[in-house]
Amino acid sequence: EDQVTQSPEALRLQEGESSSLNCSYTVSGLRGLFWYRQDPGKGPEFLFTLYSAGEEKEKERLKATLTKKESFLHITAPKPEDSATYLCAVRAGSNDYKLSFGAGTTVTVRA
Amino acid sequence: KAGVTQTPRYLIKTRGQQVTLSCSPISGHRSVSWYQQTPGQGLQFLFEYFSETQRNKGNFPGRFSGRQFSNSRSEMNVSTLELGDSALYLCASSQDRPSTDTQYFGPGTRLTVL
Repeated sequence: EDQVTQSPEALRLQEGESSSLNCSYTVSGLRGLFWYRQDPGKGPEFLFTLYSAGEEKEKERLKATLTKKESFLHITAPKPEDSATYLCAVRAGSNDYKLSFGAGTTVTVRA
Repeated sequence: KAGVTQTPRYLIKTRGQQVTLSCSPISGHRSVSWYQQTPGQGLQFLFEYFSETQRNKGNFPGRFSGRQFSNSRSEMNVSTLELGDSALYLCASSQDRPSTDTQYFGPGTRLTVL
């Protein structure tokens, strides 16, 4: 069974205070690791897909990286509008038709 | 391009009733997947449809069913509702195969079972 663990569960940041979220995974045959952002009462919004160790993707203040066992989502100089729950998901092995999600990290950025 | 749309956005039902939720995928997307999101279990896969056929199914009881129409729109049905069915039901569409293509999510339908 694919396992995806995100840490920390919650993160409170001051505006401008950079930090990182962790997503560790145990899967057989990774076919893709995905980061989504979810605002309260809304559906997950796609951010990045990473396919192989060493890959990096950037979008505005967000940067995602991937190793063989984990992924990091770095938030640089966050703003209050970056407050959301960030979800990590994997697509792997014979279960590659679905996404297996972690529980998410809820980020709160104070002005 | 319009995103994934889901209707209704909110539903309140009582135990024992049944409910039908609707999803319209992004134009040109042929695969539709359904997920259930609860505070305790997070996001869990329900099933996936492509070309009006269910290709994959998650570990949910038979009370949960779905279908897809020729225009790729999809519906899911839950019969004999239980309190534990209260959740946010999310629909996601992908161009072809969710095994290779990115899934884009709709806003969800919030179902409350009383």
